[in-house]
Amino acid sequence: TQLLEQSPQFLSIQEGENLTVYCNSSSVFSSLQWYRQEPGEGPVLLVTVVTGGEVKKLKRLTFQFGDARKDSSLHITAAQPGDTGLYLCATTLNQAGTALIFGKGTTLSVSS
Amino acid sequence: DVKVTQSSRYLVKRTGEKVFLECVQDMDHENMFWYRQDPGLGLRLIYFSYDVKMKEKGDIPEGYSVSREKKERFSLILESASTNQTSMYLCASSILLDTIYFGEGSWLTVV
Repeated sequence: TQLLEQSPQFLSIQEGENLTVYCNSSSVFSSLQWYRQEPGEGPVLLVTVVTGGEVKKLKRLTFQFGDARKDSSLHITAAQPGDTGLYLCATTLNQAGTALIFGKGTTLSVSS
Repeated sequence: DVKVTQSSRYLVKRTGEKVFLECVQDMDHENMFWYRQDPGLGLRLIYFSYDVKMKEKGDIPEGYSVSREKKERFSLILESASTNQTSMYLCASSILLDTIYFGEGSWLTVV
């Protein structure tokens, strides 16, 4: 059973469009992270959300943590080709918080 | 900036060979991790270590072992490589889990 479910799996859009990707679980998280991975590279941390209902903005990216801390979303406004990549959500493996587990990711392709 | 360096970007090994993947971090992080990434399966945790000479199994430890003799270095060992271990391997390090840094990845092909 996948602890973190990400949707959609693939998304192909035109430059300038808006999009939202989701990360859902039946478990409550103490925190949740979003990463972006470009082809041939390792993932890079974008943001960590901790508080239920929290909203964080990073330029054109808006991250939201659900009130119940079981889900999160990433909204991109006016997508650009540079936003192309794999978007991953992650959370800690266990109560001790000693390792991260990842969702399978959303592959985003933005064409000009 | 934190740097996590994986010694080999691309390797081709034969079935049955012993393979070493090396990872070094330069920020004195306690925690280090090895993941593998496969299309459709995402990142899966193989092993992690939270201190020198300490190791913990992740989700898929079978066929792998690790070594952490020094704080900055975490090695992944494939005792007898098999074709189903062809994958991209990612090393990572952190102090706290809200800030985890990845290397660029090692692409291993076992033929």
